[in-house]
Amino acid sequence: QLVLTQSPSASASLGASVKLTCTLSSGHSGYGIAWHQQQPEKGPRFLMKLNSDGSHTKGDGIPDRFSGSSSGAERYLTISSLQSEDEADYYCQTWGPGIVVFGGGTKLTVL
Amino acid sequence: EVQLLESGGGLVQPGGSLRLSCAASGFTFSTYAMNWVRQAPGKGLEWVSTIDSSGGATYYPASVKGRFTISRDNSKNTLYLQMNSLRAEDTALYYCSKDPRTYGSGTYSFDYWGQGTLVTVSS
Repeated sequence: QLVLTQSPSASASLGASVKLTCTLSSGHSGYGIAWHQQQPEKGPRFLMKLNSDGSHTKGDGIPDRFSGSSSGAERYLTISSLQSEDEADYYCQTWGPGIVVFGGGTKLTVL
Repeated sequence: EVQLLESGGGLVQPGGSLRLSCAASGFTFSTYAMNWVRQAPGKGLEWVSTIDSSGGATYYPASVKGRFTISRDNSKNTLYLQMNSLRAEDTALYYCSKDPRTYGSGTYSFDYWGQGTLVTVSS
C-alpha cells in the first residue's frame, strides 16, 4: 500500500535552515513526490516535484531558498534562510495507478 | 496568470446533494487533467477525484466512489463535482487543482490550486 509518512511538527529559528522529511512506504522507494505549502488560512501552493534521483522542478515564483533532495525512500524539503512567512503546513504528495496519496503534513514553526 | 475559482459550497443535510464548480482561466483548460482535493476542519489534505483533459477517464478513492462524480465542460473552462448521498464526514473545504502535464494520463501531481469552497453537511 502506497503511504507517505511525515513528522507532525518541526521548528527552526528565523534565518536558520530546516529539513523536512517525507518517507515512502516499503516497495515504493522509486516514486517521485511533490511538496506543497499551506500558509494559515490559505489554499495550498505547489513548491516542487521531486524525483527519486533528487532532481526537482519548482513551481512558479518559488524562491531559491526552497530545495529538494532524495535518499532511498526518503524525500526531503530544505528551506534555508527561514523567514516568518515560511511558517506553514507542508504536505508531500505522490501518485500511483488511479490513486493520489498525501502525507499527513508537517507543521513548521519559525521561532 | 492561472486562476482557479471554486463555488457552490454551502450547508446541506445528510443524504443531500450539492454540485461544486471551478472556473479556470489563464491556461488552455481543455489540455490539462484536473482534480478535486478536500480538507476537513483542522485536518490534512485528501484527494477526492481526477479527470483527464477530455473527460473520458475519471478516478476516485474508495471514500467517495459511487457517490461523487467529477466532470468538465471544456467549452466553459469549468470543472464540476457532483456530490450525492452526503455524509457528515464529507464536511470540508474543497479545492480545485490543475495537473502540470499537457494531455497527461492517469493521476499525477498538482501545480496550481484554488482557494476552496466550504461544504458543511449537517442537520
